[in-house]
Amino acid sequence: EAGVTQFPSHSVIEKGQTVTLRCDPISGHDNLYWYRRVMGKEIKFLLHFVKESKQDESGMPNNRFLAERTGGTYSTLKVQPAELEDSGVYFCASSQFTGGREQFFGPGTRLTVL
Amino acid sequence: SQQGEEDPQALSIQEGENATMNCSYKTSINNLQWYRQNSGRGLVHLILIRSNEREKHSGRLRVTLDTSKKSSSLLITASRAADTASYFCATDTGGYQKVTFGTGTKLQVIP
Repeated sequence: EAGVTQFPSHSVIEKGQTVTLRCDPISGHDNLYWYRRVMGKEIKFLLHFVKESKQDESGMPNNRFLAERTGGTYSTLKVQPAELEDSGVYFCASSQFTGGREQFFGPGTRLTVL
Repeated sequence: SQQGEEDPQALSIQEGENATMNCSYKTSINNLQWYRQNSGRGLVHLILIRSNEREKHSGRLRVTLDTSKKSSSLLITASRAADTASYFCATDTGGYQKVTFGTGTKLQVIP
């Protein structure tokens, strides 16, 4: 069974540009999470989808970040316009159960904003 | 403030030795999990321990949980070079509550 996949693996953009990250969860997993790790700091929660609905988006830094999960399958996270402090590794995870049961993580997308 | 904080931040040991990492957290939890991240790779789930459990084993891994002290430890026995990675504890408070990660311990196992 395929794991969680993320695309691209690495993105380098200039400040002010737009970037869209994609996450494909494990098939059948209703829960999809986005996390971010900035500059070697802790991994921080961004938001949680249950199917296509946003269950918790309390971790989204600001309105430059937009996450979608149309149809409850894959998800996209768009950053527009990107700022220098957005650089980091963006992880996506999916789980079959809610409430912290094992989450399966993708390899992450390393975003570098110059 | 962080829910989970790992200690030490970095650890370097010789192959064959045991490695112990600690995690402290602030609020009551439902589960505590440990994850590993190899350089440039995604997070790999290692083990989950529930709040009503005190110890759990999985292969060379041993996890303890002390809810009175709000702390957990991860012991890797007979370490191997392949264990070189960053290790994170992650806590949740149940329901739809998000998982909160600590800053991680960077483990280096020298062959």
